[in-house]
Amino acid sequence: AQSVAQPEDQVNVAEGNPLTVKCTYSVSGNPYLFWYVQYPNRGLQFLLKYITGDNLVKGSYGFEAEFNKSQTSFHLKKPSALVSDSALYFCAVRAMNYGGSQGNLIFGKGTKLSVKP
Amino acid sequence: EPEVTQTPSHQVTQMGQEVILRCVPISNHLYFYWYRQILGQKVEFLVSFYNNEISEKSEIFDDQFSVERPDGSNFTLKIRSTKLEDSAMYFCASSETGQGVGRTGAFFGQGTRLTVV
Repeated sequence: AQSVAQPEDQVNVAEGNPLTVKCTYSVSGNPYLFWYVQYPNRGLQFLLKYITGDNLVKGSYGFEAEFNKSQTSFHLKKPSALVSDSALYFCAVRAMNYGGSQGNLIFGKGTKLSVKP
Repeated sequence: EPEVTQTPSHQVTQMGQEVILRCVPISNHLYFYWYRQILGQKVEFLVSFYNNEISEKSEIFDDQFSVERPDGSNFTLKIRSTKLEDSAMYFCASSETGQGVGRTGAFFGQGTRLTVV
């Protein structure tokens, strides 16, 4: 079965320190991987995606993610966290459908990032 | 920045009643989606809609659910006879192309919190 796992419910980081939010996936074939962020009372905002190419993907707000095929991981990273990065982060993978239809997204349960000053 | 808007932000309804959740996708987008998130659980795919018809639906999207694009701007989700377990945050999303294709991922609305009592 295709799935996404975010093993941490919450990640706490001091401002200025690097952050990592973990994500592993299980999918048939080559994955399309995404990170979304949800700020309070806002919708899910697209951060970045991996389709093919360089394993290190750069996205919005200074975030990046590294695709690791052997570990089936797609961890989200930022070299220096800001208090304003505090939000809920969702990893997602596009389901691969047979017959050519556009696959839907399968989301992880989300990780709450808390950045303290 | 263009955004997907959803109304209402919060809806309370009695069990057995019909509800309609409304969404205005981004104007030049062609693909539309509904997802839901039961409190404390994962974001789950419900349905995708393209070219005025459902292109994909999950097993959650049973006969009590329906979607419609009644005019050129709105995209609605109707739940015919609500159950307690329908209580969740419902997210509408739209994208220029199918999920994963194109420059960005799908754009999500801020959600409608549905409470069935």
